[in-house]
Amino acid sequence: QVQLVESGGGVVQPGRSLTVSCAASGFTFSTFGMQWVRQVPGKGLQWVAFISYDGRDKNYADSVKGRFTISRDNSKNTLKLQMNSLRAEDTAVYYCAKPYSYGLDYWGQGTLVTVSS
Amino acid sequence: QSALTQPPSASGSPGQSVTISCTGTSSDVGGYNYVSWYQQHPGKAPQLMIYEVTQRPSGVPDRFSGSKSGNTASLTVSGLQAEDEADYYCSSYAGSYLWVFGGGTKLTVL
Repeated sequence: QVQLVESGGGVVQPGRSLTVSCAASGFTFSTFGMQWVRQVPGKGLQWVAFISYDGRDKNYADSVKGRFTISRDNSKNTLKLQMNSLRAEDTAVYYCAKPYSYGLDYWGQGTLVTVSS
Repeated sequence: QSALTQPPSASGSPGQSVTISCTGTSSDVGGYNYVSWYQQHPGKAPQLMIYEVTQRPSGVPDRFSGSKSGNTASLTVSGLQAEDEADYYCSSYAGSYLWVFGGGTKLTVL
């Protein structure tokens, strides 16, 4: 069965960096584009980033463009999100998600990133 | 990249129908037939309920249906059940590998 397991969340000071990861299994990871979506606790969902199946195409929400980098390692079935220059408003649960057509049919359990001094 | 507009709340009694709207622009909802709807229960990850405006993934009850007119998409839940009480989010593809979500609607089953 499809599994997406995020890791790497934690508490980080403003301006610092953090990388969260997503381990994928149960499907042919290398044939799917993948996405990151975040959710401030108690608030709504916000789309963050997309990466194509081969890593050649990427795009980001305006709020993170230039600070976040999405990447993947198809040999390890792993998706990453490197987050630089973190701000308090980046505090959220970060989900990786697998696409189904242009929707997202599998989501991980999420990893909480807290940006605080 | 502005968020899609959803009503913050909706409600209905068991057995009734309720419709949740999702308004965007011609650059997202109106420009593509790639609107999705998600259900999220407290403390859980979102679940895909509708994709490509009207399509239901396997396992989603046919009480859930989607539609679109112009820049506004809608999710209708018929025959409301207690377990339908949750937050619902719409999302649309916006071109160039960009997606946008709505602010979410809290559905209460009275």
